Amino acid sequence: GAVVSQHPSWVICKSGTSVKIECRSLDFQATTMFWYRQFPKQSLMLMATSNEGSKATYEQGVEKDKFLINHASLTLSTLTVTSAHPEDSSFYICSATTTYTEAFFGQGTRLTVV
Amino acid sequence: SQQGEEDPQALSIQEGENATMNCSYKTSINNLQWYRQNSGRGLVHLILIRSNEREKHSGRLRVTLDTSKKSSSLLITASRAADTASYFCATDANGDDKIIFGKGTRLHILP
Repeated sequence: GAVVSQHPSWVICKSGTSVKIECRSLDFQATTMFWYRQFPKQSLMLMATSNEGSKATYEQGVEKDKFLINHASLTLSTLTVTSAHPEDSSFYICSATTTYTEAFFGQGTRLTVV
Repeated sequence: SQQGEEDPQALSIQEGENATMNCSYKTSINNLQWYRQNSGRGLVHLILIRSNEREKHSGRLRVTLDTSKKSSSLLITASRAADTASYFCATDANGDDKIIFGKGTRLHILP
């Protein structure tokens, strides 16, 4: 299957700082990328959908000014958690897809805000 | 928002037994996918079944889809300790490119 690379796999940051997470589709061009968040022992919750070259569409309750998403190319999307706080500590997973194909997931990023 | 609901939420069975997990969803779909997630790790894609398919097999996995009942089942035969993980169904609603996950089933295989 296609490969989606997510970086970093884990990050620890101080409260108030910003963290950028990258999601790359390595061997295909992703028309759409999704960002999910997962709290311990819970399911993945969709945060936002991003299409290359356009603004991301955020799910209800997700602060777009806090979770900045940039999808500058067909192979790269970034999620920046701005002014991170301990409650933002979570597992963040991206996925990438082309039209009418299955979604391919990155390995996730564990964010810990101290 | 969540579309799929898996049951049971947790399942413990003896190694060698079969494990069955169910997923129900609310809207019409294009396809339904099953994923496995080991604790704290990323998702592993198991199988995709399209809305016009009723059953698919992959190794020890068997997935059924009943669009009239808006439900799917995942059967793992001859379970192994390595099958211990959380299993999620995910659907994309007709006309929408979002993939929404169910709450998942935590499967524990007892030695």
